[in-house]
Amino acid sequence: KAGVTQTPRYLIKTRGQQVTLSCSPISGHRSVSWYQQTPGQGLQFLFEYFSETQRNKGNFPGRFSGRQFSNSRSEMNVSTLELGDSALYLCASSLPASSADTQYFGPGTRLTVL
Amino acid sequence: AQKVTQAQTEISVVEKEDVTLDCVYETRDTTYYLFWYKQPPSGELVFLIRRNSFDEQNEISGRYSWNFQKSTSSFNFTITASQVVDSAVYFCALSEARNDKLIFGTGTRLQVFP
Repeated sequence: KAGVTQTPRYLIKTRGQQVTLSCSPISGHRSVSWYQQTPGQGLQFLFEYFSETQRNKGNFPGRFSGRQFSNSRSEMNVSTLELGDSALYLCASSLPASSADTQYFGPGTRLTVL
Repeated sequence: AQKVTQAQTEISVVEKEDVTLDCVYETRDTTYYLFWYKQPPSGELVFLIRRNSFDEQNEISGRYSWNFQKSTSSFNFTITASQVVDSAVYFCALSEARNDKLIFGTGTRLQVFP
């Protein structure tokens, strides 16, 4: 079974631009979560989507948004990019059978903001 | 509040040495889940183990073993006879029953030298 895929793998943007990252979950998984990883803050939860609805949200500004499509694929959008948004963005998918199902991660998208 | 502490920032060992990575957690919930993930230089978080709060049985998987002790709120990870391929950053994580958000520790970088 194919794992979680994320595109693009690398991205370079400039301040003020916006960016969209994509995540395709493992086949059959309906929950998708997003995390930001930076050297200073570590791994932080952004949000979780299940059945096209945001089910949980971390403590990030409104510039960070996401959505999930009917095929469970998810996108994350960051508007008005800031230098501090440079990070590795990781997507994880899980089965919806119960809470706290194991999350399986993709390879991440490394975003650099200049 | 939930919190995961990995006090060891970096550990260096020589191949074939045993090494233990410490993880201490805090939560007010009686039902929770603990995880270990491995992050090699490629960046992807690789799932290693999940443990439920009501199951304190220790687990062994090949060279890996985990010691879960609720009395000390610890979930330590031991690698026996370490190998160079074990070099990575290891993260301990916690999630509570009411949501799927993973709270990560700051990670322990393990370097295994030949």
